[in-house]
Amino acid sequence: DGGITQSPKYLFRKEGQNVTLSCEQNLNHDAMYWYRQDPGQGLRLIYYSQIVNDFQKGDIAEGYSVSREKKESFPLTVTSAQKNPTAFYLCASSISGRSQPQHFGDGTRLSIL
Amino acid sequence: AQRVTQPEKLLSVFKGAPVELKCNYSYSGSPELFWYVQYSRQRLQLLLRHISRESIKGFTADLNKGETSFHLKKPFAQEEDSAMYYCALSPYNTDKLIFGTGTRLQVFP
Repeated sequence: DGGITQSPKYLFRKEGQNVTLSCEQNLNHDAMYWYRQDPGQGLRLIYYSQIVNDFQKGDIAEGYSVSREKKESFPLTVTSAQKNPTAFYLCASSISGRSQPQHFGDGTRLSIL
Repeated sequence: AQRVTQPEKLLSVFKGAPVELKCNYSYSGSPELFWYVQYSRQRLQLLLRHISRESIKGFTADLNKGETSFHLKKPFAQEEDSAMYYCALSPYNTDKLIFGTGTRLQVFP
């Protein structure tokens, strides 16, 4: 079954702790993205990657880090530098190209303990 | 600045009424525009893109460069259209999307 898998569905972080959100896709897509979704603010781009071993900052990259060592995987680390990490995080992927639709995962909800 | 504005947080209509969800954009180049939809308990998914000039589930959207708008329209709303709708813009020479804040459509029976 093709698609994007995000894990875990719910995640809790303690103060000062780094946490990593997983995103895996088996759609053979070159491009992958991470968005943050807050009530009333829509989706904001954190990081994106158009090819393996390369990624670019989005609009709100501070306090986050990513890696793209494999085509199918694009993990997001929320570091302790991110002062307001409580949010819903969405991962997406697409075929490269401006008009290509993005395919989204189910999301991970991160909360602070 | 590149920006997408959806002025309505919530739009409520009765079944059979026409629907128009507004989207305005700010972009100096030639825009690529999309509408994405999220139904309850489902993933965010593409509804339509302006380049395809298609009608999906009875919805259409026309790009108006003069008014910098890409409003989503449907002549007769159905209850199953109730969802969250996001307008998005893709800047030139990039795969990324800039999303609006979304409009929740409620269709009452």
